[in-house]
Amino acid sequence: EVQLVESGGGLVQPGGSLRLSCAASGFTFSTYWMNWVRQAPGKGLEWVANINQDGSAKNYVDSAKGRFAISRDNAKNSLYLQMNSLRDEDAAVYYCVGDVGWLPRYWGQGTLVTVSS
Amino acid sequence: DIVMTQSPDSLAVSLGERATINCKSSQSVLSSSNNKNYLSWVQQKPGQPPKLLIYWASTRESGVPDRFSGSGSGTDFTLTISSLQAEDVAVYYCHQYYSAPLTFGGGTKVEIK
Repeated sequence: EVQLVESGGGLVQPGGSLRLSCAASGFTFSTYWMNWVRQAPGKGLEWVANINQDGSAKNYVDSAKGRFAISRDNAKNSLYLQMNSLRDEDAAVYYCVGDVGWLPRYWGQGTLVTVSS
Repeated sequence: DIVMTQSPDSLAVSLGERATINCKSSQSVLSSSNNKNYLSWVQQKPGQPPKLLIYWASTRESGVPDRFSGSGSGTDFTLTISSLQAEDVAVYYCHQYYSAPLTFGGGTKVEIK
């Protein structure tokens, strides 16, 4: 069974940093594209970033470029999102999502990021 | 960026009746190389993470009841629930995975009338 478990969320001040992690199991992690998708409280879904199987290709939504960095460690079956210069509008539940292509097939339960002073 | 526009924002349907949700993309998501539409539908029930229902515009994910169907091509797509059940109360999102940045529609909330 595919499992994606996010961690690392929490309360951070505006301008601060946070690193999210996603632990994957139940599938061959190194063969999957991986994504981060977020959902602000009471709002819709917003794709944030994705990374290809070996980490050589990455894509970001414009609002994340220059502030967020997606990475992965295939030896540890883990996906990461380093978030810097956090803003109020970055507050959301962040989901780890994966599949062999860009299709959002498998979703984690999400981790909540709160940005507040 | 491809903008995904869903309609309606919400709808209330009686149990056993049909629910129809529309999705329009600002550019075609049909690939000429494989003739596939890079369009999916995801369902999000209250308090839960999203779940994939439909991909390639019309292929049901494994385990999804056959009352859910997807149709359309190019820029216009539809999700149909043929006979609404109580467990179908959720927000439904269309999503294009044709080009980055990947984008979602604004969501359609389906309720019981």
